[in-house]
Amino acid sequence: AQSVTQLGSHVSVSEGALVLLRCNYSSSVPPYLFWYVQYPNQGLQLLLKYTTGATLVKGINGFEAEFKKSETSFHLTKPSAHMSDAAEYFCAVSNTGGFKTIFGAGTRLFVKA
Amino acid sequence: GAGVSQTPSNKVTEKGKYVELRCDPISGHTALYWYRQSLGQGPEFLIYFQGTGAADDSGLPNDRFFAVRPEGSVSTLKIQRTERGDSAVYLCASSPRADTGELFFGEGSRLTVL
Repeated sequence: AQSVTQLGSHVSVSEGALVLLRCNYSSSVPPYLFWYVQYPNQGLQLLLKYTTGATLVKGINGFEAEFKKSETSFHLTKPSAHMSDAAEYFCAVSNTGGFKTIFGAGTRLFVKA
Repeated sequence: GAGVSQTPSNKVTEKGKYVELRCDPISGHTALYWYRQSLGQGPEFLIYFQGTGAADDSGLPNDRFFAVRPEGSVSTLKIQRTERGDSAVYLCASSPRADTGELFFGEGSRLTVL
């Protein structure tokens, strides 16, 4: 069975500061890993994904994440937060083949001026 | 339309009533997924269709929940004898190929059971 744990239901950063959202996963098979973002009153949209190959993946809006197998982690980072980054972020895992995606509980990011 | 369309966007019903929620996926997407999102939680997998058939319905909570996709496009999630605990946002997602794992979500149908 697969599962996802997101550490911290709420994260607050100042504008221009580093964003770090933590995600750990559990999977008995090589995983596919995803970060989705949900802006207020909008549907979830894919931010970035890891399937195979390079472990550092880049996504939209300057976000990136690194797959660390030894730590079973897939933390999301952005060097400099912008007010428009305020949203809820979901880490997700699926098995190789991607047929069933399991989501974490989400982390709400607040950005202070 | 360009994206996944879900109707109704809001549905209020009384306990014990029957409800249908509709999902119109992105044209050409063969895979379709239903998720349920309760307040403060991440999306919870319900069912996945590949074409017309339900490839994995292991997330349906009980036999009051049923989903169909008769022509391999539009899908309907059906909930019988609704209970207050069914109140949630029901999300539909589609994917061009199931093996990418990349989901395109609609905005959801918010169900409130009084």
